[in-house]
Amino acid sequence: NAGVTQTPKFQVLKTGQSMTLQCAQDMNHEYMSWYRQDPGMGLRLIHYSVGAGITDQGEVPNGYNVSRSTTEDFPLRLLSAAPSQTSVYFCASSFQRGPQHFGDGTRLSIL
Amino acid sequence: SQQGEEDPQALSIQEGENATMNCSYKTSINNLQWYRQNSGRGLVHLILIRSNEREKHSGRLRVTLDTSKKSSSLLITASRAADTASYFCATEETSGSRLTFGEGTQLTVNP
Repeated sequence: NAGVTQTPKFQVLKTGQSMTLQCAQDMNHEYMSWYRQDPGMGLRLIHYSVGAGITDQGEVPNGYNVSRSTTEDFPLRLLSAAPSQTSVYFCASSFQRGPQHFGDGTRLSIL
Repeated sequence: SQQGEEDPQALSIQEGENATMNCSYKTSINNLQWYRQNSGRGLVHLILIRSNEREKHSGRLRVTLDTSKKSSSLLITASRAADTASYFCATEETSGSRLTFGEGTQLTVNP
């Protein structure tokens, strides 16, 4: 039982590049979400999904895209990386109205 | 804007002392959750309290919820150096199923 697995753990991009952050969970959770955490701030919700085929925007969705084709996977795509997207990204999953299980994060730097 | 606001932003105590952190929020909630984050790691769920509950215990943790004041507190008794971490409250609003996090309290427990 691996829980929530995020890859990669670290990534450096150049402005304008695109990439996909991977997130997978093996707990059969219907609810998955992506957050970003900037220094001195709490987590801000980017996108979330309440089940396969269903996604919705969070607080800071601009510049990011998501899809949920399976229960297990919830990838986050940066369409055209900008320095303002330098952050630590966390994926989380849960049953609805339950505690969230977090991955260890992806540390992303955009030059 | 953040739904939850923690107070204080930083707290430094000696081992064996109690630590109290407070969280205020703005809207009606289904539940309020507390999470812990060690440096460089993902968040770990500590305790969930539902809107119809007033107090909950888990080991050395005690959480209270006052929905009339829209506030919650987390008490860690007999603190240990290993309790050093950031602590976040998160609220699940009645208007939806997503969680909104506060900015956290950085707790330092000195040996």
